[in-house]
Amino acid sequence: GAVVSQHPSWVICKSGTSVKIECRSLDFQATTMFWYRQFPKQSLMLMATSNEGSKATYEQGVEKDKFLINHASLTLSTLTVTSAHPEDSSFYICSARVVGELSNQPQHFGDGTRLSIL
Amino acid sequence: AQKITQTQPGMFVQEKEAVTLDCTYDTSDQSYGLFWYKQPSSGEMIFLIYQGSYDEQNATEGRYSLNFQKARKSANLVISASQLGDSAMYFCAMRAPGGFKTIFGAGTRLFVKA
Repeated sequence: GAVVSQHPSWVICKSGTSVKIECRSLDFQATTMFWYRQFPKQSLMLMATSNEGSKATYEQGVEKDKFLINHASLTLSTLTVTSAHPEDSSFYICSARVVGELSNQPQHFGDGTRLSIL
Repeated sequence: AQKITQTQPGMFVQEKEAVTLDCTYDTSDQSYGLFWYKQPSSGEMIFLIYQGSYDEQNATEGRYSLNFQKARKSANLVISASQLGDSAMYFCAMRAPGGFKTIFGAGTRLFVKA
């Protein structure tokens, strides 16, 4: 149980385009989803916390207008990288929290999206 | 503020031997949870083991065990009988109660030699 599907797995696109990444909880409802960014050989850095039906909470230093997060339903959160540039190239990974889950439970991660901006 | 420190960027271990990956943490909370995750080159995050701050016994999950020393604020991961498939990046992580926000250490890359 608690499967998180992230799509797409790979994205290669030209500079200036916008890219949307989807994070879906397949067999549970997720009131909260987390978006992380990971540069090669580095740790996961939390970008934002997404709550269903409300605005996302962004971490310090993350541009809200660059990384648009929408959590319109209990099973779907999207991250849109607007006007992407080569420096936005990275590995993006989402995780979801099951409604009512205790804090001693591990996060349920998607498989990540490798974004390459040419 | 919470902080996780992993001081070993890379570790080598011979197949079938045990290896310890270090993790120290800093928090002012009395209640917290510590996690270890494995990230293979394919990128997915795989949960390995959990230790609660009030757990009196060290957590174990198969070949994984957590050497929890609360006074020293350390939560080292021990992998016994290493296998080639254990070669991956390993992250120590901490979560405070209530917020569900998790912070991760810098990670340790483990290389298992045949």
